[in-house]
Amino acid sequence: DSGVTQTPKHLITATGQRVTLRCSPRSGDLSVYWYQQSLDQGLQFLIQYYNGEERAKGNILERFSAQQFPDLHSELNLSSLELGDSALYFCASSVGITVDEQFFGPGTRLTVL
Amino acid sequence: ELKVEQNPLFLSMQEGKNYTIYCNYSTTSDRLYWYRQDPGKSLESLFVLLSNGAVKQEGRLMASLDTKARLSTLHITAAVHDLSATYFCAVVSLYTSGTYKYIFGTGTRLKVLA
Repeated sequence: DSGVTQTPKHLITATGQRVTLRCSPRSGDLSVYWYQQSLDQGLQFLIQYYNGEERAKGNILERFSAQQFPDLHSELNLSSLELGDSALYFCASSVGITVDEQFFGPGTRLTVL
Repeated sequence: ELKVEQNPLFLSMQEGKNYTIYCNYSTTSDRLYWYRQDPGKSLESLFVLLSNGAVKQEGRLMASLDTKARLSTLHITAAVHDLSATYFCAVVSLYTSGTYKYIFGTGTRLKVLA
């Protein structure tokens, strides 16, 4: 158990809908990272937050947004969903601002029908 | 543009044998990572390599980094079945603005046969 939790584990929704994925980092970790893993795109880094502030953006679509709250949990919002958004979404956390050793959550599997 | 290539993509090896997975990248790197992913599971961080010549070892796995050749290797010694998994490398390139590019390789699916 990495200490990182993600909810929900599975999510099935329809095209055009909006969903929110939630991540709670390990106790004491200030950075949260979001990743997408799909058969088509492989593993992609989406975004990092550090202590509530956006630190870096990767291949995150404009339809996606994220935030980190004062209690350090993070949410990834996916809107106007398309079939191609079906994927595993992982979050990870680390102690510092630099991309250091990360601890990964179990992931949320999103299926868009 | 930062690109990361891993090879081989698939590797089937006998228990007890040694093998190496290669990770090549196209531009200057500031950090290189190796991760393991078991089927249907999340990622596990294995190694973080920060500088040229860095070598890290954990059990039967050893990772090294040659920044001049833009190459990292993950060496498996005397493979055992429990090492069967997919292994990813990932490269971070820092920008002067303070942000960074973070790209994953395609992964190497390793199967260790008894």
